[in-house]
Amino acid sequence: QQQVKQSPQSLIVQKGGISIINCAYENTAFDYFPWYQQFPGKGPALLIAIRPDVSEKKEGRFTISFNKSAKQFSLHIMDSQPGDSATYFCAASNRGRGSTLGRLYFGRGTQLTVWP
Amino acid sequence: KAGVTQTPRYLIKTRGQQVTLSCSPISGHRSVSWYQQTPGQGLQFLFEYFSETQRNKGNFPGRFSGRQFSNSRSEMNVSTLELGDSALYLCASSPGEARRHGYTFGSGTRLTVV
Repeated sequence: QQQVKQSPQSLIVQKGGISIINCAYENTAFDYFPWYQQFPGKGPALLIAIRPDVSEKKEGRFTISFNKSAKQFSLHIMDSQPGDSATYFCAASNRGRGSTLGRLYFGRGTQLTVWP
Repeated sequence: KAGVTQTPRYLIKTRGQQVTLSCSPISGHRSVSWYQQTPGQGLQFLFEYFSETQRNKGNFPGRFSGRQFSNSRSEMNVSTLELGDSALYLCASSPGEARRHGYTFGSGTRLTVV
């Protein structure tokens, strides 16, 4: 089953507006929550990531809000620009057995369109 | 600094054939992971390698296999191709602690099975 649920599937925002994408998870063992941005013809690129001991992380116009009790996290894009038009994926992972590496469980993605 | 290089970029194969995809990670990166991306299933984890050892494997049939070489380059192989294997196959690399540094993805290999 889908380990990470992402919404909305698509989002249209006016230039200068705030884009908000939400994700929810069930597995309380997850301890790393990255967001990726993907443009057509390219692989996903890491935007920003957060760990569950922090409730918010901001990098430039991008902010992750994390609610551990609700098992939800969201991406806020402030002052959205046409160049932000892309597909955004949330993801989660947990520490593997005897390893610091782990697989990423991705949400289904949100196609963001920012129009001028 | 070169990124993650995947070859070939595009591939067309016939059902029943086999295919090998290649991934060269960023220089110095020792961890390589593979993901399959399709419109229906999204991004699905295939394998993770670190120092030539498979550390994790996703829920894919045995037709999907991979390996990592001593120079950290990786290959994945799909045998007896099916139409449903048509997808974008993405390779990602990390210096070692993937969850600290994050993964850097390549642009993928677009596989079409006809």
